[in-house]
Amino acid sequence: KAGVTQTPRYLIKTRGQQVTLSCSPISGHRSVSWYQQTPGQGLQFLFEYFSETQRNKGNFPGRFSGRQFSNSRSEMNVSTLELGDSALYLCASSLNQGTAPHGYTFGSGTRLTVV
Amino acid sequence: SQQGEEDPQALSIQEGENATMNCSYKTSINNLQWYRQNSGRGLVHLILIRSNEREKHSGRLRVTLDTSKKSSSLLITASRAADTASYFCATATLQGAQKLVFGQGTRLTINP
Repeated sequence: KAGVTQTPRYLIKTRGQQVTLSCSPISGHRSVSWYQQTPGQGLQFLFEYFSETQRNKGNFPGRFSGRQFSNSRSEMNVSTLELGDSALYLCASSLNQGTAPHGYTFGSGTRLTVV
Repeated sequence: SQQGEEDPQALSIQEGENATMNCSYKTSINNLQWYRQNSGRGLVHLILIRSNEREKHSGRLRVTLDTSKKSSSLLITASRAADTASYFCATATLQGAQKLVFGQGTRLTINP
């Protein structure tokens, strides 16, 4: 079956712009999580959605937001981009809370560069 | 901030040798997971161990968990060049099972 699909793979934006990243989970998976990975801070949790509801949120400013649609696809939006937002953004999906034996399945990520 | 700390930060061994990576964490957990990442791409789930388990095996992988010491180890036996990657431990707590807290990772290099 298809894996977790993230689009686009690469993105270059200018400071002050906004960006929307997309994630399509594995068919049947209802939980979608987002993570930011940078060389300095490592992997950090952004938020998690289950059945269109945000269940948990990390310590990121309000410029970072997300949503989940009825088909479980998810988007995250970053407004007023800053240089420090340059990162690899990873999406992960799971059947439920990720406590199933297979854990989370991650997509290949979107590499965002802010110039 | 990261809950997990991994040791060593980098490890270089010869093909065929065993590789051991350690992870320590700070709070009580529901489960601990290990992931592999190749060259800044997506993470691949390797193994999940629950807080009431002490050891799990999957192929050439062996994971141990010591909740009294808040630590875990990942052993890769008979290493191969394809095992070259970064390895991360991630913990999930009872209160926030949907949120994984990652360590900084161990960069493993297998030399032919």
